[in-house]
Amino acid sequence: AQSVTQLDSHVSVSEGTPVLLRCNYSSSYSPSLFWYVQHPNKGLQLLLKYTSAATLVKGINGFEAEFKKSETSFHLTKPSAHMSDAAEYFCVVSDGRFSGGYNKLIFGAGTRLAVHP
Amino acid sequence: DSGVTQTPKHLITATGQRVTLRCSPRSGDLSVYWYQQSLDQGLQFLIQYYNGEERAKGNILERFSAQQFPDLHSELNLSSLELGDSALYFCASSVEMNTEAFFGQGTRLTVV
Repeated sequence: AQSVTQLDSHVSVSEGTPVLLRCNYSSSYSPSLFWYVQHPNKGLQLLLKYTSAATLVKGINGFEAEFKKSETSFHLTKPSAHMSDAAEYFCVVSDGRFSGGYNKLIFGAGTRLAVHP
Repeated sequence: DSGVTQTPKHLITATGQRVTLRCSPRSGDLSVYWYQQSLDQGLQFLIQYYNGEERAKGNILERFSAQQFPDLHSELNLSSLELGDSALYFCASSVEMNTEAFFGQGTRLTVV
């Protein structure tokens, strides 16, 4: 069965410092992995996705994530945090089986990122 | 704007009542998902439809039901509402398997 573990429920950084949000996954199949961001009172927005192409994935707003199969990790990073990055971030794994459109997305519990001046 | 439209944005209703939440997926997306987000449970997958057929079921209560219509819009019906059903309900759509899902802005349901 697929599962996702976000290792930190809260992360706090200063503006201009690097961001690291950690995610480990478990999947019996070749997974697709995603990071979504949710700003307060907003819907979820896709940041980036990994679908078995390049292991280093670049997303929007300067975020990137690296797929490491040996470590079953998909950590999200950004070199320099901005105040507008303060939000909740979700790591998501997609069931890799093909079954005519079956695509169950499994969400991690989320990491709340706070950015301080 | 993700292209996924959910209505209404806010809904306040009394316990025991029934409500219907509506979702219009992005143009061309065949798959629709429903999620419930509450403070204590986080983001919970409820159900997925693909081209009108139910494909996957998550933690959906028996009091809840959903369907996807021939025009691909979907409705989530919540009945015999309880205080604990108060939450944000998200709809998402995607083209196919292993593709990203695009989320609507959600419907905030408050049961009083």
